[in-house]
Amino acid sequence: NAGVMQNPRHLVRRRGQEARLRCSPMKGHSHVYWYRQLPEEGLKFMVYLQKENIIDESGMPKERFSAEFPKEGPSILRIQQVVRGDSAAYFCASSAGYTDTQYFGPGTRLTVL
Amino acid sequence: GQNIDQPTEMTATEGAIVQINCTYQTSGFNGLFWYQQHAGEAPTFLSYNVLDGLEEKGRFSSFLSRSKGYSYLLLKELQMKDSASYLCAVLIKAAGNKLTFGGGTRVLVKP
Repeated sequence: NAGVMQNPRHLVRRRGQEARLRCSPMKGHSHVYWYRQLPEEGLKFMVYLQKENIIDESGMPKERFSAEFPKEGPSILRIQQVVRGDSAAYFCASSAGYTDTQYFGPGTRLTVL
Repeated sequence: GQNIDQPTEMTATEGAIVQINCTYQTSGFNGLFWYQQHAGEAPTFLSYNVLDGLEEKGRFSSFLSRSKGYSYLLLKELQMKDSASYLCAVLIKAAGNKLTFGGGTRVLVKP
């Protein structure tokens, strides 16, 4: 039973480019969460999605960041016009229900040059 | 606002016991989680407490007091592989439940 999958594991972008991070939840999980971890800092909640719905995006920066979880396929976190401050590890987690344990994927480490 | 505090670093000796404390001030408490995170890796689930008391799972135990806003993670019979960061996270009842994390406690196990 595969766990939460994320790709790519490492992503390098130049300032101004777009970054697309993908997350496939565990089998049977329909709740997806994105977190960001800046170097030497704790994990910060970004957004919570269910299929085709954004439930809570209170942690998302107002500009350049968007997330989706379509009916078919993985959840996507999209960062437009990346800046150096976007360099971080982005973790996706999934759960079976909204109060259930969240299981984390291996993360995508984004480096902006 | 939400506030979760835990010590930044702790050092212990192989075979010993270490207790990592976590205090929280949050609204809409819906449970407390402990995760282990090795450097450069994903957090892995250790324990979940929603009711007061002690939950024991092998060498790891977690305690919760909701009235005091306090939890601890107890690691017994420390092994070198236990060197990692330990993250305390509170599940906040909101539009959707979301985890709010403390800064993490880096535990270094020495021989």
